[in-house]
Amino acid sequence: QQQVKQSPQSLIVQKGGISIINCAYENTAFDYFPWYQQFPGKGPALLIAIRPDVSEKKEGRFTISFNKSAKQFSLHIMDSQPGDSATYFCAASMTGTASKLTFGTGTRLQVTL
Amino acid sequence: NAGVTQTPKFQVLKTGQSMTLQCAQDMNHEYMSWYRQDPGMGLRLIHYSVGAGITDQGEVPNGYNVSRSTTEDFPLRLLSAAPSQTSVYFCASSYRIAAKWVEQYFGPGTRLTVT
Repeated sequence: QQQVKQSPQSLIVQKGGISIINCAYENTAFDYFPWYQQFPGKGPALLIAIRPDVSEKKEGRFTISFNKSAKQFSLHIMDSQPGDSATYFCAASMTGTASKLTFGTGTRLQVTL
Repeated sequence: NAGVTQTPKFQVLKTGQSMTLQCAQDMNHEYMSWYRQDPGMGLRLIHYSVGAGITDQGEVPNGYNVSRSTTEDFPLRLLSAAPSQTSVYFCASSYRIAAKWVEQYFGPGTRLTVT
């Protein structure tokens, strides 16, 4: 049973465009929703995270939008750059218990010139 | 700080062999965990530990053992390797702020092939 569903599987965006990756979760006990960025041959690195008490969080060109009632959250990358080409994972956890992350299946983003 | 380190970087095993994947962190984090990453499946939690002497199973624990004798180290043991354990393995660590666990820091990974 996949508790965090991520789409699309792959995404090609032109330089300067907006990249949008969507995730949906099932467990309403989740209270922490991070996005991780992974480059080939490297471990995932935290990009941005949100808690359900806010509907949006922005850090530079990266924005998380969160819809608690729909149990969905998304990552928007504004002004996408070739250096943003990587695999992106959404995740969810219940931070009051243990820091067990449930990951989505990943989105491979390619930003073309 | 070196952060989270993992050894080896690559490993090839024959079916039935045993080995230990090493993980160490120098950030004094209470929490450590092991994930495996397979194509199209994201990362799945194998085992985790909330402190020295305390371990618990994750989503896919079968075929793996762990122990946590110190805060710094969290080795993952494969007792009898199987081809289904071919994967990339990541170790991660985390800590708490006001009783809430915060971000996890991942190591660089170990790519394991079982033939």
